[in-house]
Amino acid sequence: KAGVTQTPRYLIKTRGQQVTLSCSPISGHRSVSWYQQTPGQGLQFLFEYFSETQRNKGNFPGRFSGRQFSNSRSEMNVSTLELGDSALYLCASGISYNEQFFGPGTRLTVL
Amino acid sequence: AQTVTQSQPEMSVQEAETVTLSCTYDTSENNYYLFWYKQPPSRQMILVIRQEAYKQQNATENRFSVNFQKAAKSFSLKISDSQLGDTAMYFCAFIPFRGSGGSNYKLTFGKGTLLTVNP
Repeated sequence: KAGVTQTPRYLIKTRGQQVTLSCSPISGHRSVSWYQQTPGQGLQFLFEYFSETQRNKGNFPGRFSGRQFSNSRSEMNVSTLELGDSALYLCASGISYNEQFFGPGTRLTVL
Repeated sequence: AQTVTQSQPEMSVQEAETVTLSCTYDTSENNYYLFWYKQPPSRQMILVIRQEAYKQQNATENRFSVNFQKAAKSFSLKISDSQLGDTAMYFCAFIPFRGSGGSNYKLTFGKGTLLTVNP
């Protein structure tokens, strides 16, 4: 079975721009979660989607949004990028509480 | 709200020796899962081991084992016969289990422990 894939792997943007990241879960997984990883804050939960519905959202500003498609693929969007949005964005695909698998991440650098 | 604390930002161990990573958590939930994830320098997060809170028996996966103390809210990871490939950031994580109602798969992570295995 193919693992969780994330595209692109690396992105460089400038302040004020917007960005869209993509995550394809493991086949059969209906849950996709997004996390932001930074050296200072560690891993912080952004949001989770299950069968195209957002089930939970973390404490991030409205600039961060996401969606999930009928094939379970998910995208997250960050608008009006700030320097502090530079991070590794991880996607996790899950089928149950005790089984979540992470993708390789997208490294976003905001200049 | 749940919190997960890893008090050791960095640790090092000699190859073939044993090392224990600490994790404590705070929650009012009765049912939950605990995990240790490994993130090597390549950054792909990998599940190392998991523990269900209602199971008293400590989980074991080959060289990895946990010491789960529910009353103390402690969940440490022991790595035996450390190998160079064990060098990575290790994260302790928590997820409450609420059954079919109010479900979501949000993981709460600790800040991580950077483990270096020296030859």
